Amino acid sequence: DIQMTQSPSDLSASIGDRVTMNCQTSQSVDEKLNWYQQKPGKAPRVLIYGVSTLQSGVPSRFSGGGSGTDFTLTISNLQPEDVASYFCQQTYSPPESFGGGTKVDIK
Amino acid sequence: EVHLVESGGALVQPGESLRLSCAASGFVFDTFWMNWVRQTPGRGLEWVANINPSGREIFYGDSVKGRVTISRDNGKNSLYLHMKALTVHDTGVYYCARTTADNIWGTYRYVDSWGQGTLVTVSS
Repeated sequence: DIQMTQSPSDLSASIGDRVTMNCQTSQSVDEKLNWYQQKPGKAPRVLIYGVSTLQSGVPSRFSGGGSGTDFTLTISNLQPEDVASYFCQQTYSPPESFGGGTKVDIK
Repeated sequence: EVHLVESGGALVQPGESLRLSCAASGFVFDTFWMNWVRQTPGRGLEWVANINPSGREIFYGDSVKGRVTISRDNGKNSLYLHMKALTVHDTGVYYCARTTADNIWGTYRYVDSWGQGTLVTVSS
């Protein structure tokens, strides 16, 4: 099974900051790497799929990158509505595991 | 509009069984892979199981393998999760979720729709 490791687990930044979080997979996932945002009490929603493709309706301040086993999610201009937990997921092979998440809040 | 509505969550004792249901609407149900994903206090988001459109291809997460059965009834646009030998570690919110893909070959798969979740609490 593919293990997913996210870092940091918590991230605090100021409005307007550029923030980056990481996701490392235990083996190559052939770019089958997605990012989700989850706000308290809500279901997750997809932000990015295939490492870097922005889902329709997602603000352009979100971007994804990386290759091989190391991937990033960047928020270029942190907004109050971005306070949430962020999860990566691989869909290369079942079980389609999620990372442990990064919780973002405002400093 | 895609709607996924879970039901069946309850307070149960360790060792008991439970069946969750998900009623789907707003899309052609029998053309999509479907999933159960849970959110637990200790493990965050955890992928539980998924099933292909025909129901013939099924995968389970390691922590539930042997204790849960995912199934679907395409005639009723419904997804199910039967769980047995429940433990306190199974406590959490269970989401029904739809997988889509970026093209007809399914190059990049991702979950694009989620239900509101149903709460399962396992406690004595």
